[in-house]
Amino acid sequence: EAELVESGGGVVQPGGSLRLSCAVSGFNFGDYDMHWVRQPIGKGLEWVANVGIFGDTFYSDSVKGRFVIYRESAKNSLHLQMDSLRAGDTAVYYCVRGVSVAAEPFDLWGRGTLVAVSS
Amino acid sequence: DIQMTQSPSSLSASVGDRVTVTCRASQAIRNHLAWYQQKPGKPPRLLIYAATALQRGVPSRFRGGESGTDFTLTITGLQPEDVAIYYCQGYNGARSWTFGEGTKVDIK
Repeated sequence: EAELVESGGGVVQPGGSLRLSCAVSGFNFGDYDMHWVRQPIGKGLEWVANVGIFGDTFYSDSVKGRFVIYRESAKNSLHLQMDSLRAGDTAVYYCVRGVSVAAEPFDLWGRGTLVAVSS
Repeated sequence: DIQMTQSPSSLSASVGDRVTVTCRASQAIRNHLAWYQQKPGKPPRLLIYAATALQRGVPSRFRGGESGTDFTLTITGLQPEDVAIYYCQGYNGARSWTFGEGTKVDIK
């Protein structure tokens, strides 16, 4: 069964760094776009970053220049390196699989990992 | 970037009712629209993609509609297990995705 399991969340001070990881299993990782989506507690969803099957990357304006998404194909893992963290980055971060149909929707989600940026 | 305006922000209906949630895109996005359902403490679940296509395993009481830049999610015959927050998601065709603010659906 296809599964995504996030790890690496925690509490970090403003200006600090954190690396999130996502373990992929049950499907061919190399065949799919992957994303990170975040959700502040009690609030809505925000797309954060995308990495294509060839490693091309795209970011929301709110994280561009601070976050880096990359895939580690040999380990079936997705990562999100987050630098210069701000209070506004506090959220549950979901690892998500994208599918190449119209709307490029997200058909598989992990359970999420909580990042809290606080002094 | 596209903006997705979802309405209403919340609604309450009786079991068996027909419920409609609307999402308006700030620019033309063709059929690049998806709908998700999120229950408390769970990740979102894909319901509809390409504006009207039902994701495998989703009950047929869920239906997506489109008219220009206006999109609808209709639940025909609301069930207790449909209590959730529903989000639309637009795709601009250039590797950027935007979610609507969400609609909370409750049972009266």
